[in-house]
Amino acid sequence: QKEVEQDPGPLSVPEGAIVSLNCTYSNSAFQYFMWYRQYSRKGPELLMYTYSSGNKEDGRFTAQVDKSSKYISLFIRDSQPSDSATYLCAMSVVGGFKTIFGAGTRLFVKA
Amino acid sequence: DADVTQTPRNRITKTGKRIMLECSQTKGHDRMYWYRQDPGLGLRLIYYSFDVKDINKGEISDGYSVSRQAQAKFSLSLESAIPNQTALYFCATSVGQGSNEQFFGPGTRLTVL
Repeated sequence: QKEVEQDPGPLSVPEGAIVSLNCTYSNSAFQYFMWYRQYSRKGPELLMYTYSSGNKEDGRFTAQVDKSSKYISLFIRDSQPSDSATYLCAMSVVGGFKTIFGAGTRLFVKA
Repeated sequence: DADVTQTPRNRITKTGKRIMLECSQTKGHDRMYWYRQDPGLGLRLIYYSFDVKDINKGEISDGYSVSRQAQAKFSLSLESAIPNQTALYFCATSVGQGSNEQFFGPGTRLTVL
């Protein structure tokens, strides 16, 4: 079993839709939960991160962590064609040197 | 200006050839990483280095070697390339604190025929 599981998609939505991206994990020691966005032919870039449980909001993006269920989510409100990319969840432990990445979910937002 | 650069961006080679991928960074970070990305498998760590004298194997280091020539330079070598090493390769750096946010280069697309 992989430490981090993520549905690869693809996920196709119309412009303006609310998008929900999810990951599950097995290592209860993870404390940092991150979402990276990767455009085609580019390297991943950190979109946002959350420490421990709870929600974090940044503009149209909300990251949610449920440690009891070992489940994290990224919500995108009012999705735009420019949001079309691959979204990778990632996790690490406090003081850790390794970040474990999910396989990535490919998102298409249609105008 | 790119903070993490990789050369070459694309490379096609033949089975058995030696190939080197290079990474340079201007972020001043001590930690550097090499990952490969395959469809459905995500990013997998090949090697990582905390400083010039500290190099460590990742989860899939077999068939690869690295060299940390300076704080800013970290090279990945395939001594004898094989077709299942066809992948997208990324170099990354990090400060190594907090979330250990990684800053990625643009990637090298390697095809081994």
